[in-house]
Amino acid sequence: NAGVMQNPRHLVRRRGQEARLRCSPMKGHSHVYWYRQLPEEGLKFMVYLQKENIIDESGMPKERFSAEFPKEGPSILRIQQVVRGDSAAYFCASSPGGRTEAFFGQGTRLTVV
Amino acid sequence: AQRVTQPEKLLSVFKGAPVELKCNYSYSGSPELFWYVQYSRQRLQLLLRHISRESIKGFTADLNKGETSFHLKKPFAQEEDSAMYYCALSPLTGTASKLTFGTGTRLQVTL
Repeated sequence: NAGVMQNPRHLVRRRGQEARLRCSPMKGHSHVYWYRQLPEEGLKFMVYLQKENIIDESGMPKERFSAEFPKEGPSILRIQQVVRGDSAAYFCASSPGGRTEAFFGQGTRLTVV
Repeated sequence: AQRVTQPEKLLSVFKGAPVELKCNYSYSGSPELFWYVQYSRQRLQLLLRHISRESIKGFTADLNKGETSFHLKKPFAQEEDSAMYYCALSPLTGTASKLTFGTGTRLQVTL
């Protein structure tokens, strides 16, 4: 099992562009979580998804951010019209069930220039 | 609101010395507490959780509800313990993996 795979590892976008971050969960895992880590801060929960459903998006900014986890394919975190403040490391985690240990990916470092 | 505080950004100890990484939390309900570790160029991984009461790689952590603390301890530090350590909290009910993290402490073990 290759573990949680995130790509790209590094992403550079100009202000106003869109950023798409992908997360392939571990085999057999149907729960995906996205976290954001701003410089000098801890990881902050953004959204929790199961296949085709958003379970908890209480940590998602109200505008420009969206997430999906389709029946087939990876989970996508999409940031529209990026701004400098979106520069951060974005981590994805997956688990086989909601109350079991989640396994983290290596993160995507987004830089907005 | 729940909050996790790790007061030290960096903790430097000599090999063989005892280690204590501090973690304090605030949460109105019953929490589950975790320690995660990130070794250089590796992904974040679970080190231990208070519910399992295990000792992993010589590390232990006891939940002190009176002091709202969950400090991570090891009696004798090893070079390979050098890493970033994050304390995290989750409500005991609901989703285990919706975690609130502290800002992390970098442990540096020197010879």
